[in-house]
Amino acid sequence: DIQMTQSPSFLSASLGDRVTLTCRASQGISNYLNWYQQKPGKAPQLLIYAASTLESGVPSRFSGGGYGTQFTLTISSLQAEDFATYFCQEGYNPVSRTFGQGTTVEIK
Amino acid sequence: VQLVASGGGLVNPGGSLRLSCVGSGFSFSDYYMTWIRQAPGKGLECVCYISDSGSAIIYADSVKGRFTVSRDNVKKTLFLEMNSLRAEDTAVYYCASYTDSRGRSFDPWGQGTLVTVSS
Repeated sequence: DIQMTQSPSFLSASLGDRVTLTCRASQGISNYLNWYQQKPGKAPQLLIYAASTLESGVPSRFSGGGYGTQFTLTISSLQAEDFATYFCQEGYNPVSRTFGQGTTVEIK
Repeated sequence: VQLVASGGGLVNPGGSLRLSCVGSGFSFSDYYMTWIRQAPGKGLECVCYISDSGSAIIYADSVKGRFTVSRDNVKKTLFLEMNSLRAEDTAVYYCASYTDSRGRSFDPWGQGTLVTVSS
């Protein structure tokens, strides 16, 4: 199975900060990488698919990049509603579709 | 576009439970479907997948032989029959749809239903 590793696990930041989350795949996955945001008690919501395409309705302060094994999710200016947990997920393996362990963005 | 999951609850170890997930606002029969679970304070695990027609099914090793997924495209409903439940099956269970496009991402998701396995 493909392993997905996110870093950092926790990130403490202030309103207005620019933050970058990283996701690494154990093998090349082309651009089959998706990002989700999850708030406490809620289901995850799709933010970015195919590494860099913003889902409809997602603010433009979110952006994604990368290819192969290294991927990033950047929030250009943190807003109050962005404090949440972010998961990456590979869509390359038709059997497993593994998620990363998540990065929790907390208020400093 | 909406998925609504139901059927969770408290069950004894070794017991059974049947989850349902009803879709609306999209062409349910055109989408692969999946059940994804999240243990308390933990990450996300894909439990199983079922193709649009129901002819192809994949299970995670952790549930193989105990869980059965099925779907009724006329009623736009996805099911998960869970038998021989264990404490480690305790989780919120989400249903989600996906296609081969859009990075093979999961969208939309149901709101989740909590399964607690405990005596």
